[in-house]
Amino acid sequence: DAGVTQSPTHLIKTRGQQVTLRCSPKSGHDTVSWYQQALGQGPQFIFQYYEEEERQRGNFPDRFSGHQFPNYSSELNVNALLLGDSALYLCASSLAVRGDSTDTQYFGPGTRLTVL
Amino acid sequence: QKEVEQDPGPLSVPEGAIVSLNCTYSNSAFQYFMWYRQYSRKGPELLMYTYSSGNKEDGRFTAQVDKSSKYISLFIRDSQPSDSATYLCATQYNNNDMRFGAGTRLTVKP
Repeated sequence: DAGVTQSPTHLIKTRGQQVTLRCSPKSGHDTVSWYQQALGQGPQFIFQYYEEEERQRGNFPDRFSGHQFPNYSSELNVNALLLGDSALYLCASSLAVRGDSTDTQYFGPGTRLTVL
Repeated sequence: QKEVEQDPGPLSVPEGAIVSLNCTYSNSAFQYFMWYRQYSRKGPELLMYTYSSGNKEDGRFTAQVDKSSKYISLFIRDSQPSDSATYLCATQYNNNDMRFGAGTRLTVKP
């Protein structure tokens, strides 16, 4: 059973450029969440996608956008890169549950983005 | 004030020691509590998942939640060098927005 996969593993960009990161969820999962983890910090929630729509968003600017495809895979796009965007970007997948129940999220290995 | 506070350590213990990791949180609306383990340059791995107050045990790991004091703990018995990692506590609303602590770096020395 394949877990959450992310690509690429590492990425180096310069300020002002745009980047696209990709995530394939764990088999059977339909919800994808993206997190940013700066060095020495815990992950911070960027947004969550379910049924190809952004269901929830954290405190991140509009430069951060995303997409979910019919096969549940997802992309994170960051425009006009800043030095401060350098971080480990984590994708987590889960299975949506109706009502008041919540999902357990499983993380991928992350994409390490360096902005020079 | 951060929603989830966690002492970043580092924490160093000898092999076989009992390890206690702790977090506090500020929002009483949190209902779900998790502990993740993260090895260097890897993604977080779910260790324990608990709902509301109480204890949960899984092998050498025990998670405790005290909602009255907004305090969550992870205990590791008979710690091993392979337990050396960063441990992240996390809390969650129904809407799946997880809030993490900064992580505690643990080293277990042989």
